Amino acid sequence: DSGVTQTPKHLITATGQRVTLRCSPRSGDLSVYWYQQSLDQGLQFLIQYYNGEERAKGNILERFSAQQFPDLHSELNLSSLELGDSALYFCASSVGGGGALDTQYFGPGTRLTVL
Amino acid sequence: AQSVTQPDIHITVSEGASLELRCNYSYGATPYLFWYVQSPGQGLQLLLKYFSGDTLVQGIKGFEAEFKRSQSSFNLRKPSVHWSDAAEYFCAVGVPGSQGNLIFGKGTKLSVKP
Repeated sequence: DSGVTQTPKHLITATGQRVTLRCSPRSGDLSVYWYQQSLDQGLQFLIQYYNGEERAKGNILERFSAQQFPDLHSELNLSSLELGDSALYFCASSVGGGGALDTQYFGPGTRLTVL
Repeated sequence: AQSVTQPDIHITVSEGASLELRCNYSYGATPYLFWYVQSPGQGLQLLLKYFSGDTLVQGIKGFEAEFKRSQSSFNLRKPSVHWSDAAEYFCAVGVPGSQGNLIFGKGTKLSVKP
């Protein structure tokens, strides 16, 4: 158990819908990262927040957005869902503000299925 | 752009046999290097990491990895595989001075024969 929690564990929805994935980082961690794992693309970095501020952006679609709240939990919002958005979404957290020296601890993931 | 290649999609080894999983990276300098393991239905767990210094790195669960600059490789090894090692293994790189996001390889799935 990494100490990173993600809810829900599974999510099934329809095309065109909007969903919110939630992540609580390890106690004391200030950074939250979101990754998408799909069969064709593998594990891809989406976005990072540090202490409430966006720190780095990866291959995140404009239909996706995220935020980190004052209590440091984070939410990833996916809208206008398409079949290709079906994937496993991981959240990771780290102590510091980023930099590859910061070890990232991963949550168990949320499996999103878009029908 | 940085990239990570794990040439083997699937490897099967017998329990008790030795294991080597390959990882090659593309980057102009020495990146930070990581190996993660993902068991079925689980998140990723860090096995080991290399930042600098001794090129042979020891990790958890009896794993080790060796950084070879000349080959741009960071192969993961274990002398004797246990059935519980069956999982998917991911090599990742982090770029020094970057914001910290990791670039992952596509993974190698390890099956263990009894």
